[in-house]
Amino acid sequence: AQKVTQAQTEISVVEKEDVTLDCVYETRDTTYYLFWYKQPPSGELVFLIRRNSFDEQNEISGRYSWNFQKSTSSFNFTITASQVVDSAVYFCALSENTGNQFYFGTGTSLTVIP
Amino acid sequence: DGGITQSPKYLFRKEGQNVTLSCEQNLNHDAMYWYRQDPGQGLRLIYYSQIVNDFQKGDIAEGYSVSREKKESFPLTVTSAQKNPTAFYLCASSLSRTGSTDTQYFGPGTRLTVL
Repeated sequence: AQKVTQAQTEISVVEKEDVTLDCVYETRDTTYYLFWYKQPPSGELVFLIRRNSFDEQNEISGRYSWNFQKSTSSFNFTITASQVVDSAVYFCALSENTGNQFYFGTGTSLTVIP
Repeated sequence: DGGITQSPKYLFRKEGQNVTLSCEQNLNHDAMYWYRQDPGQGLRLIYYSQIVNDFQKGDIAEGYSVSREKKESFPLTVTSAQKNPTAFYLCASSLSRTGSTDTQYFGPGTRLTVL
């Protein structure tokens, strides 16, 4: 079974629109960590955020915000006023306290049209 | 600058050849990882190492080998036994050896193509 599901394979938005990327995870651990990474066309994965399971406070960083809801096992990522430079593939990932690896979703490809 | 370097950026291999992908980090991280990414897919773990001279198989280790003789280096060899090696390979590192909950930082990747 997939531990991290990113149901949106591809999304296109027009510049300045807001866009939300969905991430649903599955774990039995009470302590776990969630991550978002950005993969621009160059290929390198860029770390965006890390949250632990005990901190459900939403986080905002500039135009980026994250909504963590344990009740629905979701960790969604919103880009406000999207820009062309936001075009990339975004990955959500889960790591469990009892495990030894990250579990990545299959990614959401975001295209921002000028 | 601290970071992770991978070389080469592009690599072409003939069938039947072994090739080695380089990964070096100067972040003083204990743990290092190798992932494979195929088009339209997520990352799959090949091998990881939490300490020098020790490494563990990931989900898709068959046809690959690694070594960890130095803390800063974790080369990956793609052997001729790997049936479909054409892919994008990413190396990562994280601070702690005690588990996977630390943030992983990634290198720029190597794109391997088998001719």
